[in-house]
Amino acid sequence: DTAVSQTPKYLVTQMGNDKSIKCEKNLGHDTMYWYKQDSKKFLKIMFSYNNKELIINETVPNRFSPKSPDKAHLNLHINSLELGDSAVYFCASSQEDRGGEKLFFGSGTQLSVL
Amino acid sequence: AQSVTQLDSQVPVFEEAPVELRCNYSSSVSVYLFWYVQYPNQGLQLLLKYLSGSTLVKGINGFEAEFNKSQTSFHLRKPSVHISDTAEYFCAVTAGGSQGNLIFGKGTKLSVKP
Repeated sequence: DTAVSQTPKYLVTQMGNDKSIKCEKNLGHDTMYWYKQDSKKFLKIMFSYNNKELIINETVPNRFSPKSPDKAHLNLHINSLELGDSAVYFCASSQEDRGGEKLFFGSGTQLSVL
Repeated sequence: AQSVTQLDSQVPVFEEAPVELRCNYSSSVSVYLFWYVQYPNQGLQLLLKYLSGSTLVKGINGFEAEFNKSQTSFHLRKPSVHISDTAEYFCAVTAGGSQGNLIFGKGTKLSVKP
């Protein structure tokens, strides 16, 4: 049972292009997130979305936008890609249970901007 | 605001040796603390977490961590490592609310050699 699945696993594109990364969560989960992991492995939250409220990290450029076509998906759209956007992007979702909140990560999308 | 410092970027050890991965945090309020593991080409998985109660927390795969409030530390330990423990380990902190607001350290690369 995969809690979170994201595609594609690898994405290679040219500067200036627009691209999307898809993320699907288990319907029993509450909130979805997007994280960016840079070349030094530093992991930083970009967005969180719980079907009611979108919270944006203020440091994220407005070229990045999450879009939720339905309750199970929170896709990441990136416009006018730049070299500095090259990174691994992780989708995650959370679920509350008796042990508290649990965070589940997708396997990541390695974006390379040439 | 919270911050996390992982003092070692790389820790090489031999198989069956004990290991300690260090993590210090900074916060003006009470915090929740986490350790995540990232195996090559995979997303992050929760190893263990400290929310309250006993300061010694046991996690999966034989790992444990001890919360030390006076030293603002949450070091991760394992008495005997295996080759399969080779991975990147991230310490994270949040002041409460959603785990999606986790602040991650820069990671420690654990390399276990035969």
